[in-house]
Amino acid sequence: QVQLVESGGGVVQPGKSLRLSCAVSGITFRTYHMHWVRQTPAKGLEWVAVIWSDGSKKFYVDSVKGRFTISRDDSKNTLYLQMNSLRDEDTAVYFCAGGSYFLGRWGRGTQVTVSS
Amino acid sequence: DIQLTQSPSFLSASVGDRVAITCRASQATGTFFAWYQQKPGKAPKLLIYGTSTLQSGVPSRFSGSGSGTEFTLTISSLQPEDFATYFCQQLHTFPYTFGPGTSLEIK
Repeated sequence: QVQLVESGGGVVQPGKSLRLSCAVSGITFRTYHMHWVRQTPAKGLEWVAVIWSDGSKKFYVDSVKGRFTISRDDSKNTLYLQMNSLRDEDTAVYFCAGGSYFLGRWGRGTQVTVSS
Repeated sequence: DIQLTQSPSFLSASVGDRVAITCRASQATGTFFAWYQQKPGKAPKLLIYGTSTLQSGVPSRFSGSGSGTEFTLTISSLQPEDFATYFCQQLHTFPYTFGPGTSLEIK
């Protein structure tokens, strides 16, 4: 059974940091490109970042470049998103997802709220 | 960035109807185009990838077509479980982008 389980969300003040994790089971994690996608009622779905299956490449949406870092630990079958200098507009449900030219596997999401 | 627009934004239909949702891209995206279904409180579910390839386990009443900058998701005969929100996504150029969604409601 394929499972992607996000954790690490919560309420954080603007300017602070948070690290999200995504524990993956049921698939060969090291063969999957892994993504973070976020969603808000106002902006809908927004793709945030991807890390290649071998970790060699990372891409980000402009609004998080220099603040967010995607990483993976294949020994733990876990994907991470380090989020620094958080802003109000980063408030969203964050999903991890796996796939190359499509996002075929998704977690249930974790809520991140940035608020003073 | 490649912008995606979806039409209609809202669609009211009945069980058994045939419906089509269109997604237009601001630039050509090749065949790297996908469709997702999302129900309230759930993660998106992949329906179609590569413009027209049906994801394993997805009913054959769903189909995708298109090329260049215009893509279509068609549901041939709506079932009660199909009432949801549908999103398109281009995976041709970073940043990958999603359409704003089409909410499909029961008439």
